[in-house]
Amino acid sequence: KAGVTQTPRYLIKTRGQQVTLSCSPISGHRSVSWYQQTPGQGLQFLFEYFSETQRNKGNFPGRFSGRQFSNSRSEMNVSTLELGDSALYLCASSLYPHYGYTFGSGTRLTVV
Amino acid sequence: AQTVTQSQPEMSVQEAETVTLSCTYDTSENNYYLFWYKQPPSRQMILVIRQEAYKQQNATENRFSVNFQKAAKSFSLKISDSQLGDTAMYFCAFMKLPDDTGKLIFGQGTTLQVKP
Repeated sequence: KAGVTQTPRYLIKTRGQQVTLSCSPISGHRSVSWYQQTPGQGLQFLFEYFSETQRNKGNFPGRFSGRQFSNSRSEMNVSTLELGDSALYLCASSLYPHYGYTFGSGTRLTVV
Repeated sequence: AQTVTQSQPEMSVQEAETVTLSCTYDTSENNYYLFWYKQPPSRQMILVIRQEAYKQQNATENRFSVNFQKAAKSFSLKISDSQLGDTAMYFCAFMKLPDDTGKLIFGQGTTLQVKP
C-alpha cells in the first residue's frame, strides 16, 4: 500500500516567486492536512481539506493557499515567497482523523 | 486556544533501558485525542501511539505506552527496552474533534538519543 507522496522533495526558489507543492494521500483517505515545520516555530498547521472543501485553516497569511481535487490529491501554493517561508512542508492524510494521520516525507523549500 | 508543552528538549538513554518523555497540554475541551509522533532523521513523521480522552485506560503499543492523567492534563510516553532505532525527535500532539478535525497541535518536540 503506497504511503503519502509529496513532490518535489527539495525546492529552491527566489524571493518574490511563487511555488506549488503536491501531495498524493493514501488511497481512500479523504482528509488531507498541511503543516509547516521550522526550527524556530516548530510544527504549525496550515489547513485541512476534506472532499475538496477546506474545513480548517491555521494562522497563516493569505499568501498560503491550498486546494484538493476530486481524487483527494492536494496542492498548496505560496505566492510572493519570503525568506521566512523556508521550511519543511509536510502533508498528512487520514481515513478516520481520530485514528491519527499518516505523514509524507515532506518538501524542503529553500527561499533565497 | 489549546497548547502543548514538552519540557525536555533533549534526552538520552542507554540501549535496553526505559525512558519517559513528558507532555502537558492545556484545554477546556472534553472531546479530544492525543498522539505521540516520532520523526527520525529521514524526517517522515510516524504515529507511535494514540489516546482517546474519554478512555481512562492507558494506551499501549508493544514497547510504547502512555501515562494519561486527564485531570492533570499530562500525557507522557514510556519507551521500554530502548533500541537504537528509537533515536528520533518525538512530538506530542493534540486534536480536538469534531471542530478541529485535521488540526494537530504539536509540542516543540523532544530529541531522544539511544546510546549503544
